[in-house]
Parts: sequence; structure tokens; C-alpha cells
Amino acid sequence: QKEVEQDPGPLSVPEGAIVSLNCTYSNSAFQYFMWYRQYSRKGPELLMYTYSSGNKEDGRFTAQVDKSSKYISLFIRDSQPSDSATYLCAMQRTGGGADGLTFGKGTHLIIQP
Amino acid sequence: DSGVTQTPKHLITATGQRVTLRCSPRSGDLSVYWYQQSLDQGLQFLIQYYNGEERAKGNILERFSAQQFPDLHSELNLSSLELGDSALYFCASSFRTGANEKLFFGSGTQLSVL
Repeated sequence: QKEVEQDPGPLSVPEGAIVSLNCTYSNSAFQYFMWYRQYSRKGPELLMYTYSSGNKEDGRFTAQVDKSSKYISLFIRDSQPSDSATYLCAMQRTGGGADGLTFGKGTHLIIQP
Repeated sequence: DSGVTQTPKHLITATGQRVTLRCSPRSGDLSVYWYQQSLDQGLQFLIQYYNGEERAKGNILERFSAQQFPDLHSELNLSSLELGDSALYFCASSFRTGANEKLFFGSGTQLSVL
């Protein structure tokens, strides 16, 4: 079992829909949870950053962490065609440096106009 | 624009050759990270430098090496290239090093080994 599992998609939804992206993980030492957005031919861009369990909201984006289930989610409200990208989850353990930052393989999201 | 600059954007070379990828971190950032991204493996951490010194090592092959110079730019050297080394190579930077540092990525170098 990989440390971080993420459905690669593609996930195709109509414009304006609510999008739910998810990752599961197996390492209970992970404490920091991130979502990156990657457009084609570009580097990943940090979108959301949360510590431990709970919710965090930023505009149309909400990140949720459920440590008891080892499950994290990213919700996108009122989705726009410009949200079409690959979304990567990433997580890091306390005391871990760069070698402790583990990425999911990414979900390819397509928002249809 | 993340502020991290990578050159070249594309590189096409042959098996057995050696190439150098270059990265300039964001102004003020002391830490540089190198990642390899392929379709089957995803984003894999290779190596990290902090203020000129190697800080952490990931899944970096012995044929690969890196360094960070006094002006904080970094170079990743890939030698005896194989077909399987074809991938996107990303550089990222952060101000410090630690568990909660936010990484800023460059646009990557697409390496094709023929």
C-alpha cells in the first residue's frame, strides 16, 4: 500500500458544480496537509495548507482533514473552467524535512464550460 | 509567477550523455529542493540544499548529483542518462527548512532522453 493514495481521474464536471477531491493516507505521523494545483506544463502551486485535523476555508476552496479516518478533502465551490488542472495532495510528518513531504500522484480535473 | 526560475525549459539528449539543470530560488529563500515528476511515479523528492549544504536526500540515483552555490542558485547534474530518466524535473525553494515550510515551485525542465 502506498503512503498516499489519490484517484488520478480524470474528473469532469460542469461549470458551477461543487468539486470534491480526496486523498487517503496510511502514515499516522502526518500532521501537515497541503493541496497543490498544477496547470499543464507548469510547476505545482500551493493552494491550501492545514495543520492536523479540521477545516480551512479560502474563498471558493475548503480543505478538510479527518485524521481518525486518514482522509483529506478539497472542495471547490462554483467551479470555473480556470480551475481545470491537476490537484496534488501532499502531507508531512512533524519533525520531517523535505524528505518527509509525500505527494499523491494527482487528480486531473476538467471543468466543462 | 512563483519567483523560482529554472533553465532550460526543455532538454533533448541521448542515452549516456550528461546534462545540467539550473535553478534560481525566490529572492531571500535559503532552501532549494529538487523533484522528479513522471506519470507512473508522480512527484518524487530527490535532494534538498539549505544555505549551501546538503540537508536531505530522497530517491536520488548515484548518477545524479546537485550543489548549491554561494549565491544560492542550484544545479542538478544528471549523468550516464538512460531512457527512464526522461521526466519533468522541478526545483522548489523555501525561506528556511523544516516540517512546515511552504514550497514554491519553478516551471520545471522537461528532459527527454532518446
